[in-house]
Amino acid sequence: EPEVTQTPSHQVTQMGQEVILRCVPISNHLYFYWYRQILGQKVEFLVSFYNNEISEKSEIFDDQFSVERPDGSNFTLKIRSTKLEDSAMYFCASSEGARANYGYTFGSGTRLTVV
Amino acid sequence: DQQVKQNSPSLSVQEGRISILNCDYTNSMFDYFLWYKKYPAEGPTFLISISSIKDKNEDGRFTVFLNKSAKHLSLHIVPSQPGDSAVYFCAAIPNRDDKIIFGKGTRLHILP
Repeated sequence: EPEVTQTPSHQVTQMGQEVILRCVPISNHLYFYWYRQILGQKVEFLVSFYNNEISEKSEIFDDQFSVERPDGSNFTLKIRSTKLEDSAMYFCASSEGARANYGYTFGSGTRLTVV
Repeated sequence: DQQVKQNSPSLSVQEGRISILNCDYTNSMFDYFLWYKKYPAEGPTFLISISSIKDKNEDGRFTVFLNKSAKHLSLHIVPSQPGDSAVYFCAAIPNRDDKIIFGKGTRLHILP
């Protein structure tokens, strides 16, 4: 069964450093998403991406965050200057169609720990 | 602002019995509802969805019921199996939107 692959599975970084979280969506999917889950809290939407541009973003997705699809297969989330409160599980997801009515496919997540 | 609420953080059910997971929502503009299942160290996995114009959708052992007047939905798992032990997230999609709004999840334990 096709999978969304995320690397690394765990990233530890110092506060103020830049991190890049990587995702390989399912190959025929056109819509890409990042979500995060702070420990003990709900899964929260960060950003959606289609046709090489951001289609929607949440309040969490401020100027410190950016996304890119650099080479047609990878989809990356960059946090420019990490803060302690960025520590969370980050999930990438992809879908064939525009609406998530039938559910996206999520990756296994990257646990980001900011120290 | 909790638009999707799962008030039970955990639930224990005997194997073979029915598991009922509940969810309430506040936004009348949701037009799709979904349930996701999550195992530790894995991402959420889509289980079943229901359109706001329906009141029931069934897929094998899983049935989702929607009561729009009460802004309530529930997921029924019959019969419950050990592999059903996981965290279940209720989620909703606002009208004309493609983001998913998740609840906090309910941890389901299936007891032998």
